[in-house]
Amino acid sequence: EAEVAQSPRYKITEKSQAVAFWCDPISGHATLYWYRQILGQGPELLVQFQDESVVDDSQLPKDRFSAERLKGVDSTLKIQPAELGDSAMYLCATSMRSRRGEQYFGPGTRLTVT
Amino acid sequence: GDSVTQMEGPVTLSEEAFLTINCTYTATGYPSLFWYVQYPGEGLQLLLKATKADDKGSNKGFEATYRKETTSFHLEKGSVQVSDSAVYFCALATGGGNKLTFGTGTQLKVEL
Repeated sequence: EAEVAQSPRYKITEKSQAVAFWCDPISGHATLYWYRQILGQGPELLVQFQDESVVDDSQLPKDRFSAERLKGVDSTLKIQPAELGDSAMYLCATSMRSRRGEQYFGPGTRLTVT
Repeated sequence: GDSVTQMEGPVTLSEEAFLTINCTYTATGYPSLFWYVQYPGEGLQLLLKATKADDKGSNKGFEATYRKETTSFHLEKGSVQVSDSAVYFCALATGGGNKLTFGTGTQLKVEL
């Protein structure tokens, strides 16, 4: 069964450093999402791509976060500089264009900022 | 804006007990409703869904009915197993896009 791949699974970084996460979607899934999940809470959408275009980044802290999906396939989420409050699980999910709300999630990247 | 409210956990049950996890929502328009499950160390997985009022979603012995009059989508299972121990998230999607709004999650622990 096809899966969403994410790397790294765990990342520890010092505050003010740069960090990047990578996501490889299920083949053919046009829509890609990055979520942030703080411990004990539900995932919150950071950015949504349709193919290579951003369709929703209203909750992305653009002063320090950036995301790209070159060629509409895999995607990178970057934080620069990292802050202590960025410690969380970062989840990537993908979906087919026609399946409302049905998303396939990767295992996530657990970020700890020290 | 759209929101989802779930009962707080953890919920601790003995094996073969009956499970109910409450979920209510606030949304504009006509949302689709979902339950996702997150097993330890894994990503979220879609458990079941319902797209219109009075629909019942079901999977793996779990079921939930879309109740528009009470704006609810409670998750139930007649007999839980230890392997059902996980965090359960209620979610909704509105509009033409696929954006999901999640509740805070309810942790379920099933003991022998």
